[in-house]
Amino acid sequence: EIVLTQSPGTLSLSPGEGATLSCRASHSISSNHLAWYQLKPGQAPRLFIYGASSRAAGIADRFSGSGSGKDFTLTISRLEPEDFAVYYCQQYATPPVTFGQGTKLELK
Amino acid sequence: QVPLVQSGTEVKKPGASVKMSCKASAYTFTNYYIHWLRLAPGRGLEWVGKIDFHAGNTIYAQSFQGRVTITRDSSTSSVYMELTSLTFDDMATYYCARVKWELPPYFDYWGQGTRLTVSS
Repeated sequence: EIVLTQSPGTLSLSPGEGATLSCRASHSISSNHLAWYQLKPGQAPRLFIYGASSRAAGIADRFSGSGSGKDFTLTISRLEPEDFAVYYCQQYATPPVTFGQGTKLELK
Repeated sequence: QVPLVQSGTEVKKPGASVKMSCKASAYTFTNYYIHWLRLAPGRGLEWVGKIDFHAGNTIYAQSFQGRVTITRDSSTSSVYMELTSLTFDDMATYYCARVKWELPPYFDYWGQGTRLTVSS
């Protein structure tokens, strides 16, 4: 199965700053079948990005996804207070679907 | 309105079984695959298995084979996940999530989660 490694494990930033989250795959991910999710305690996980760079419905344009092959990035241009959460990447190119271990975006 | 509504917190003893539910809200699951995943402390998200709601076909992750059963009830638009022979390692929040038939398996909506505690 494809192993996804996210970095950093924790990112400490302030509102208004930009954030860059990385997701690296053990094997190339075909068709850019990579998604990003946001998880907050007590809430349903939320899809943010699919197809490596397509924003899901209702997601602000300060969120952008990029990358191909083995290296993917989630970029948040200007952090808002509600953005502080854990973000997971997921590959769905090769079954079984697998997830990274998550990046915790915390308030500095 | 939340598209998927899951059953409440469960507390079980080691060796017991648990069965949790996931219900469609304001629509039906007919044209969807419903997946189950779990998030365990320190272990990240893990895929458990899926069911084709229309046909009832299931596929399970290898690590859960023989212990998990996913079923559906068309009359109530509900999906169930039963996990047997529970151990402390099964303590996690379990999520159902949907994937449209015609789309690749990224999850556009998730349930709110069912927390499972395994305690002696």
